[in-house]
Amino acid sequence: QVQLVQSGTEVKKPGSSVKVSCKASGGTFGSYAISWVRQAPGQGLEWMGGIIPIFGAANNAQKFQGRVTFTADKSTSTAYMELSSLRSEDTAVYYCARDIIEDYSNWFDPWGQGTLVTVSS
Amino acid sequence: SSELTQDPAVSVALGQTVRITCQGDSLRNYYASWYQQKPGQAPVLVFYGENNRPSGIPDRFSGSSSGNTGSLTITGAQAEDEADYYCKSRDHRHFYVFGTGTRVTVL
Repeated sequence: QVQLVQSGTEVKKPGSSVKVSCKASGGTFGSYAISWVRQAPGQGLEWMGGIIPIFGAANNAQKFQGRVTFTADKSTSTAYMELSSLRSEDTAVYYCARDIIEDYSNWFDPWGQGTLVTVSS
Repeated sequence: SSELTQDPAVSVALGQTVRITCQGDSLRNYYASWYQQKPGQAPVLVFYGENNRPSGIPDRFSGSSSGNTGSLTITGAQAEDEADYYCKSRDHRHFYVFGTGTRVTVL
């Protein structure tokens, strides 16, 4: 079965960038989409966007337009999320999740363990 | 609108039934999926589609849909079901949205 393992905790300065990785094992990487979700401290879940590795096609929520980049390396079964121009409000736990799509439904399963990104001067 | 609205909190007595609802226009066209999140842990899928429960999820979790409302029901709630629950749906542009979340307290 598919498992997703994310990179470790990051501490970044305002204005810098962060790149979080999500390595998949099991299943056929590239045949499914990977979505990214973040959760600020004490807040709810927020979808950021995602990528279908086999096509290299990505989309993102309007809120992150121009600031987020999703990539995938099929040779290492790893997906990446890079967020630029970081500000304190970007402090959150970032999750990746396998994104399964059917005609009238869609679900995220499994999820990575999460990566804490702290933005502080 | 692609927003999904949930009640902020509900409580249920041990062994009783609780229903968590999720309202939004996108649910008229797409089924919700439901996620359980315990403190300090990643979310876990507990129900999806018209009538699907992932392997390993107890059968006390069930889901339904009507109009613009999706529901997750826990029949015979257990102490370990105390958690935050989020619904999620998508729109025609393949953008996703999460519900505002419901904290379930088991008394």
